[in-house]
Amino acid sequence: GDSVTQTEGPVTVSESESLIINCTYSATSIAYPNLFWYVRYPGEGLQLLLKVITAGQKGSSRGFEATYNKETTSFHLQKASVQESDSAVYYCALGASNTNKVVFGTGTRLQVLP
Amino acid sequence: GGIITQTPKFLIGQEGQKLTLKCQQNFNHDTMYWYRQDSGKGLRLIYYSITENDLQKGDLSEGYDASREKKSSFSLTVTSAQKNEMAVFLCASSMGQGSSQNTLYFGAGTRLSVL
Repeated sequence: GDSVTQTEGPVTVSESESLIINCTYSATSIAYPNLFWYVRYPGEGLQLLLKVITAGQKGSSRGFEATYNKETTSFHLQKASVQESDSAVYYCALGASNTNKVVFGTGTRLQVLP
Repeated sequence: GGIITQTPKFLIGQEGQKLTLKCQQNFNHDTMYWYRQDSGKGLRLIYYSITENDLQKGDLSEGYDASREKKSSFSLTVTSAQKNEMAVFLCASSMGQGSSQNTLYFGAGTRLSVL
């Protein structure tokens, strides 16, 4: 079926360090997948961080970047220098443009130490 | 902007009970979703609906019914609550087409506990 696998948390990094959270997907029934990163900050609801709907393109938001790689079926989330305010749970998601079905990964809890 | 309202915020049920969760959105979005979140298991899709009166099963539909009688509302019924069950149910909506297709907006969730 269609699924998303991401880095198992928690991930702990120190402020100003670089970060990568891995995400790979399987889109067996989705012809043209759309890829997303959602984030839940402490005490807040789940919200979109960034999205890419075309293979080979890069999305970015709040200093985070992710590139849609169709060859490796990956959509890794990266940031060059994290801040304490980036502490949150990050979810990779896969959307189907032909059916509107959206599936999520298990989430990765990130803790940034001051 | 719009908002997604889930009711109730907390739901306590008894084993075997039928329980209904409600979701309203004022984005005028076509597509609505129900997800279940358990600790360590991420979000699992239960049902989604691409338009009024449409229902599509997700990976976790067994044990649930859903209803989309109006464009703005989407309800979920737990047909028989399981003892010691604890989970958060999240409702979401999105535009059905265009560049924002599949961009989900989420409600705050309904937390279910079964005694």
